[in-house]
Amino acid sequence: DIQMTQSPSTLSASVGDTVAITCRASQNIDTWLAWYQQKPGKAPTLLIYDASTLESGVPSRFSGGGSGTDFTLTISSLQPDDFATYYCQQYTTYYTFGQGTKLEIK
Amino acid sequence: EVQLLESGGGFIQPGGSLRLSCAASGFTFTNYAMTWVRQAPGKGLEWVSAISGGGDHTYYADSVKGRFTISRDTSKNTLFLQMNSLRAEDTAVYFCAKEQEEDWNPFDHWGQGTLVTVSS
Repeated sequence: DIQMTQSPSTLSASVGDTVAITCRASQNIDTWLAWYQQKPGKAPTLLIYDASTLESGVPSRFSGGGSGTDFTLTISSLQPDDFATYYCQQYTTYYTFGQGTKLEIK
Repeated sequence: EVQLLESGGGFIQPGGSLRLSCAASGFTFTNYAMTWVRQAPGKGLEWVSAISGGGDHTYYADSVKGRFTISRDTSKNTLFLQMNSLRAEDTAVYFCAKEQEEDWNPFDHWGQGTLVTVSS
């Protein structure tokens, strides 16, 4: 089974900051990686797929990169609406999510 | 507009059974694989099961294999998850989701979720 490890588990930041969340796969997944945002009591929403492709309607301040085993989600110029929990997901063989990163207001 | 609406959650005793439904609309149901994802209270996301667009291929997480069965009714555009031999650790919000395409793709639309509580 492919394991996904996110870091950090919690991230404190302020509006206007730029932050990065990392995700590491236990084996090579090429670019078969997605990022989701989830707000309390809501379903997740797809932000990025294929490691770096922005889903339609997602603001350009979100960007993704990486390949193989190491990936990054970067959020530039944080907005109040961005404070949420973020998950990475591999979809090369079955599906595995990372444990999540909670982005909170400093 | 794609819409996914889950139902069937509730309170059930350990060892019991429950069937979840997910009514889909706004897209050609048979063209897309569908999946179930769950989230235990205060925890992260866990993929549970997936089914191909035609319903001929099904996949399960090890944690539910042999106890849960995924199926779809293309005439009613509805996805199902039959859950048997339920355990306390199956307590979670269950989301249905539409995959972007067939064969292992991210989930581009999600339902609002239905809560399953397994407790004596």
